[in-house]
Amino acid sequence: QSILTQPPSVSGAPGQRVTISCTGSSSNIGAGYDVHWYQQLPGTAPKLLIYGNSNRPSGVPDRFSGSKSGTSASLAITGLQAEDEADYYCQSYDSSLSGGRGVFGGGTKLTVL
Amino acid sequence: QLQLQESGPGLVKPSETLSLTCTVSGGSISSSSYYWGWIRQPPGEGLEWIGSIYYRGSTYYNPSLKSRVTISVDTSKNQFSLKLSSVTAADTAVYYCARRRLNSTGWWYDYWGQGTLVTVSS
Repeated sequence: QSILTQPPSVSGAPGQRVTISCTGSSSNIGAGYDVHWYQQLPGTAPKLLIYGNSNRPSGVPDRFSGSKSGTSASLAITGLQAEDEADYYCQSYDSSLSGGRGVFGGGTKLTVL
Repeated sequence: QLQLQESGPGLVKPSETLSLTCTVSGGSISSSSYYWGWIRQPPGEGLEWIGSIYYRGSTYYNPSLKSRVTISVDTSKNQFSLKLSSVTAADTAVYYCARRRLNSTGWWYDYWGQGTLVTVSS
């Protein structure tokens, strides 16, 4: 079971807006650590989508946006396109174990209807 | 453009040691701005952080794997490596190497290798 909780799946029609949640606790997101998001297209390596809660790397469309509040974070995708169908993972840092560790959510499969 | 490439055996026997190398091209592994890390993904499952290394040799490991993991760096070859000992079928996964960026409130991976599948089986 992942330390960061994501819904297993979300779906939306082309052009719609979808959101993916990432819920943590007081030892990770709630402790002030940033949340980052990755997109993994089928059969490929993860790609950085959002870093530092809401920052987009160069080349990532502004249809993708991130936010964080309390012990949770969200990824929003507007103007949904067929090419957005992928797995999405959130990532943060957790201080609950000695030395701390990087932690990922369990992933959310986005289906474009 | 920075590129990372994993290499190593695709099949490892149970109880043996898994060894992988990541070769970095298009940039120096000795940059003071970055760490270098390993992440794995069992078939059909999510991502798991394994550990990271700085070019000067300081390491950070996932506590759940720490007793079996060693990450090392060879700056002369612009490479870093992963060793995972006493492997079992549960260690079967795609292993990714990646560049890690960090600030005061966490770290993230901005460049990833394509990944290499390692199967643990006799």
